[in-house]
Amino acid sequence: QVQLVQSGAEVKKPGASVKVSCKASGYTFTSYGISWVRQAPGQGLEWMGWISAYNGNTNYAQKLQGRVTMTTDTSTSTAYMELRSLRSDDTAVYYCARSDIAVAGVSFDYWGQGTLVTVSS
Amino acid sequence: QSALTQPASVSGSPGQSITISCTGTSSDVGGYNYVSWYQQHPGKAPKLMIYDVSNRPSGVSNRFSGSKSGNTASLTISGLQAEDEADYYCSSYTSSSTPVFGGGTKLTVL
Repeated sequence: QVQLVQSGAEVKKPGASVKVSCKASGYTFTSYGISWVRQAPGQGLEWMGWISAYNGNTNYAQKLQGRVTMTTDTSTSTAYMELRSLRSDDTAVYYCARSDIAVAGVSFDYWGQGTLVTVSS
Repeated sequence: QSALTQPASVSGSPGQSITISCTGTSSDVGGYNYVSWYQQHPGKAPKLMIYDVSNRPSGVSNRFSGSKSGNTASLTISGLQAEDEADYYCSSYTSSSTPVFGGGTKLTVL
């Protein structure tokens, strides 16, 4: 069965960076993309970006351009999301979700369990 | 890209049907048949309920259905059950080649 297992909770200081991992299993990793979606406490879902596990193409949300980098390691079927220059409003649960191989954001059919990132001084 | 517009809350009694709307523009909902709906229980990850406007993934109850008219998509849940109480989010592909989510709707089963 398809599973996306994310790394554990993180606590970071403002200005630091965080890197969240998402290990996929149960399907051919390079046949899909991975999107990252975050949810601030008590708020809705916000799409952050997408990476094709086939060719590494990326598409990032405009508001995060320059602060976010998404990568994959096909040898371990793992996707990574790094967010830099963290601010308090980056405090959120970060989800990875399986997506289309070539197009960002058509739909997200399987989700990871979420990783809480807390930014606090 | 502005968020899609959903009602903040809807409610219904067990056995009834409810509909949640999701309003966008011709640059998102109205322009593409790539509307999806997600159910999220408290503290849990979202779950895909409808994709491509009206398709149900394997394993999702046929009590859930989706449709679209113009710039507004809708999710209908028939035969409401207590377990349906959750937050629901719509999402649409956009002309910017990125997705946008709705603000979410809290469904209360009375």
